[in-house]
Amino acid sequence: GENVEQHPSTLSVQEGDSAVIKCTYSDSASNYFPWYKQELGKRPQLIIDIRSNVGEKKDQRIAVTLNKTAKHFSLHITETQPEDSAVYFCAASKNTDKLIFGTGTRLQVFP
Amino acid sequence: DTGVSQNPRHKITKRGQNVTFRCDPISEHNRLYWYRQTLGQGPEFLTYFQNEAQLEKSRLLSDRFSAERPKGSFSTLEIQRTEQGDSAMYLCASSSRGGDGNTIYFGEGSWLTVV
Repeated sequence: GENVEQHPSTLSVQEGDSAVIKCTYSDSASNYFPWYKQELGKRPQLIIDIRSNVGEKKDQRIAVTLNKTAKHFSLHITETQPEDSAVYFCAASKNTDKLIFGTGTRLQVFP
Repeated sequence: DTGVSQNPRHKITKRGQNVTFRCDPISEHNRLYWYRQTLGQGPEFLTYFQNEAQLEKSRLLSDRFSAERPKGSFSTLEIQRTEQGDSAMYLCASSSRGGDGNTIYFGEGSWLTVV
């Protein structure tokens, strides 16, 4: 079955710096890759997603890149702000049969 | 607000008791998913439905767990003879294969504490 690995597990950055979180997946048939942000005690919230027919997608300060050959995708947050502090999860899915999540990255943005 | 509703939001139960959680998906979403999340971990897939059909169950879902979606709308997740290891947040999510494509939206979760 699908396995998703996520690195790093924790990431601390200064406000205004960039943050990059990387994930790899095992099932080459996976074609949908969302990223979720989860604040303590709250639901995972979708922040951006990418499908396998594109290599990059951007939404304001957030971008995601996908390398299908390497089975690797990354989340890039630029100009980080304290409110970006949260746990971020990557996930992979084949036709949304189910999402398989990574282990999460705790991002701390220091003012 | 994503519109997926779960209740109860919090449940404390004694070991050995049965508990049931309910999930109301976003209207007209035909897919409904259950996940379990423990502290510091990512959500783990338990099962999912397309309309009323249960299409897949994780091996994590022991025989003490049962999920139903009888009319293809709301779903229930029942845990029988609860154990302390069942303590977790149980997340429900829904999606549609229509306009939103594959986007999966989560509810706020139901916290279970088994004492």
